[in-house]
Amino acid sequence: GIQVEQSPPDLILQEGANSTLRCNFSDSVNNLQWFHQNPWGQLINLFYIPSGTKQNGRLSATTVATERYSLLYISSSQTTDSGVYFCAQYGNKLVFGAGTILRVKS
Amino acid sequence: DTEVTQTPKHLVMGMTNKKSLKCEQHMGHRAMYWYKQKAKKPPELMFVYSYEKLSINESVPSRFSPECPNSSLLNLHLHALQPEDSALYLCASSQDGRTDTQYFGPGTRLTVL
Repeated sequence: GIQVEQSPPDLILQEGANSTLRCNFSDSVNNLQWFHQNPWGQLINLFYIPSGTKQNGRLSATTVATERYSLLYISSSQTTDSGVYFCAQYGNKLVFGAGTILRVKS
Repeated sequence: DTEVTQTPKHLVMGMTNKKSLKCEQHMGHRAMYWYKQKAKKPPELMFVYSYEKLSINESVPSRFSPECPNSSLLNLHLHALQPEDSALYLCASSQDGRTDTQYFGPGTRLTVL
């Protein structure tokens, strides 16, 4: 089945710092999504990005489908960015990586 | 509107109780999903309904019984649960259940005593 690996598992940032989260996947990508799960458990869609680059405010994502990885960039981090970031790939179902726990300190 | 709603937000139940979780979406989506998420783990798929028919059951124990009364509503009936079933239960929906974007509700945090 599909394997989705995320790195790093944990990340602590000072407010204002930039970061890059990585997602490696084992199969050719039909659908790749990035989510942010806030401390209350809500999973928020960040990007649907099977290939290419997208930007939304301080966040951007790039998927290189031929090399089977995706990157999520967070610039000028804020405390509200804290939480867990998941990438997920669709085979016959959405398979999530283990997540990156991000803590942004003020 | 990209909102999926779930009720209740929190639920505490005994092992002999029967309860139901509810999920609703008004985006015209034809696929709806139940996921279970244990602490510090990613969500795991339980069931998929596509066009109101159960299309995927990930070998979930029969004490969990899904129901899709119409294209906007999804229920999860709970009976004789075990303490290890305590988790966050997430509902999601998508346009047609293929490779499209899934939108998640806020979840129901379930505790089984």
